[in-house]
Parts: sequence; structure tokens; C-alpha cells
Amino acid sequence: QKEVEQNSGPLSVPEGAIASLNCTYSDRGSQSFFWYRQYSGKSPELIMFIYSNGDKEDGRFTAQLNKASQYVSLLIRDSQPSDSATYLCAVNKRSGGGADGLTFGKGTHLIIQP
Amino acid sequence: SAVISQKPSRDICQRGTSLTIQCQVDSQVTMMFWYRQQPGQSLTLIATANQGSEATYESGFVIDKFPISRPNLTFSTLTVSNMSPEDSSIYLCSVVGGSGANVLTFGAGSRLTVL
Repeated sequence: QKEVEQNSGPLSVPEGAIASLNCTYSDRGSQSFFWYRQYSGKSPELIMFIYSNGDKEDGRFTAQLNKASQYVSLLIRDSQPSDSATYLCAVNKRSGGGADGLTFGKGTHLIIQP
Repeated sequence: SAVISQKPSRDICQRGTSLTIQCQVDSQVTMMFWYRQQPGQSLTLIATANQGSEATYESGFVIDKFPISRPNLTFSTLTVSNMSPEDSSIYLCSVVGGSGANVLTFGAGSRLTVL
């Protein structure tokens, strides 16, 4: 079983709709969870992080974490063509949480159709 | 967040040669990380570089193949030794914090093609 799993896609969503990206992880001891966006040919950039069960909202983005189900998701509301990118889920298994030594999923390729 | 400069941005190398990638950060950071992103794949952590001590390598990566230097709190190098076509990849330097934030920030990456 892979440590961090994501559907590679592509996931196609019409402009203005909600895009839902999902990620599961294998290590129940994982402490912190991150979503990165990577445009083609560019390096990843952080969108959000979440540490506690529940929802965390930042503008059009909402991260959802369910540690019991070992599941983390990212919702993008009012999707824009500029949201078209690969979204990487990352998990930190190390004690104390934080952002060091992250394990990344393979990413979901999101396409927002105008 | 920290600003990271990497060079070279890209290079084409011959099999059997070695190449050193430099990473410069605009602020002092405790830990620097080197990742690899092979074509169509996600990021894989190669090693963690701490100033004043040897780098810590992840499973599957060894010092002889990927020697790392960390002479001060703002600079690190990664050498890819005795390269083969399988080493063709993007190599990314990253740091946590730099501005007090617990955020992993990446450099622009170094795209290596080995012929």
C-alpha cells in the first residue's frame, strides 16, 4: 500500500463548479497534512495545511481531515481556469507534526473547463 | 516565506559525470531538504541537510551517490554523482520556515537530463 494515495485524474470540472480532490494515507500516526499546487514546469506551492479533524477554510479553498478514516480532501469552490494544475497531497509522519520531511502523493491533475 | 535560489536551472549531462546543484536561501534556516521529481512522478525526499552535521538520507538514497554539503544556515549543495539516464529528473531544494512559519517552501528546481 502506498503511503499517500491520490487519484491521478485528470479530473475535469466546469468553471464555477466545486472541485473535490481526495487523498488517503496509510500511517495512522501522521500528524500534519498539506495541499500543494503545481503548475506544469513549476515548483509546488503551498495552498493549505491542516492538523486537526474537521474543516479549514481559506478563501475558495476548504481542507477536510478525517483521521479515523485516514482521509484528507481539498474543495475548491467557484473553480477558475487558473486553478487547472496538479494538486499534491503531502503528509508528515514525524512526531510533533510540522512541515519537515513530507511524503507526497503522486498528485491529481485538475482541469477546469471554461 | 523564504526565497530560495537554485542553480543551475537546467543542464544536460553526459553519462558517468557528476553535477553539483546549489541552493541559496535569503534567511537562516535550520533544515534544508532535497527532493527529486522524476518525469510524471511526485516528489521523493532524498535527504535532510542540517548545518554542522551529516545529512540524513531517506531509504533508497546513499551519500556516495548524492553527497550533500551544508556549510552554513543559508546554503546547501547536492551532487548527483556518476550519473545515468535514470537520474534525469528535477531536483528541488526546500526549506521550512525562514520567516517563522511552519511551511515547506520550494526552490524553482534544477532540471537535469542525462544522455
